[in-house]
Amino acid sequence: QKEVEQNSGPLSVPEGAIASLNCTYSDRGSQSFFWYRQYSGKSPELIMFIYSNGDKEDGRFTAQLNKASQYVSLLIRDSQPSDSATYLCAVNIFSGNTPLVFGKGTRLSVIA
Amino acid sequence: GAGVSQTPSNKVTEKGKYVELRCDPISGHTALYWYRQSLGQGPEFLIYFQGTGAADDSGLPNDRFFAVRPEGSVSTLKIQRTERGDSAVYLCASSLGWGEGYTFGSGTRLTVV
Repeated sequence: QKEVEQNSGPLSVPEGAIASLNCTYSDRGSQSFFWYRQYSGKSPELIMFIYSNGDKEDGRFTAQLNKASQYVSLLIRDSQPSDSATYLCAVNIFSGNTPLVFGKGTRLSVIA
Repeated sequence: GAGVSQTPSNKVTEKGKYVELRCDPISGHTALYWYRQSLGQGPEFLIYFQGTGAADDSGLPNDRFFAVRPEGSVSTLKIQRTERGDSAVYLCASSLGWGEGYTFGSGTRLTVV
């Protein structure tokens, strides 16, 4: 059973703080990991992807991957009210032609 | 095109009717995916095309659902004998290939009344 788990939230953080979004996955064969942002009533948009253990930074966003713990996270530094959205974690397994499996998403609210 | 285009953006249909949802992927993207999303849930996989062929249709819920991509570009998702439980946002995405990040279209909101 391929599953991706996220806390549905809402996660509330004050403006300027660091928001930490977490995701666990069940399939140890998973090889690539994606974070999507989805504003209410809109479609998901890709923020970051990560393939290797460790950290990957892109502007205010940092993705962290720990394959041994089957854990991937997204940190948002200097959170802004415009970051308020649902963040979807998605996992892809290279071992076969399996498409991305999405979590239910975590709703983030950045309070001004 | 510049992005993934989905039509119609909204579709209201009566229970039992047939509907077609269209997706026009980014030019050159060989992989095309259909997902559906219900309120408060993540996208749920339906079917994936690599070129013209359905590489994985394991997410189609039953035989009322069918999708085609005859020329390896535009895809149509077809739902027969619609039921109220089919109401959702149907999302199409494309990518350069399997393993790449997806670009999603704006979705079709299907409401079965």
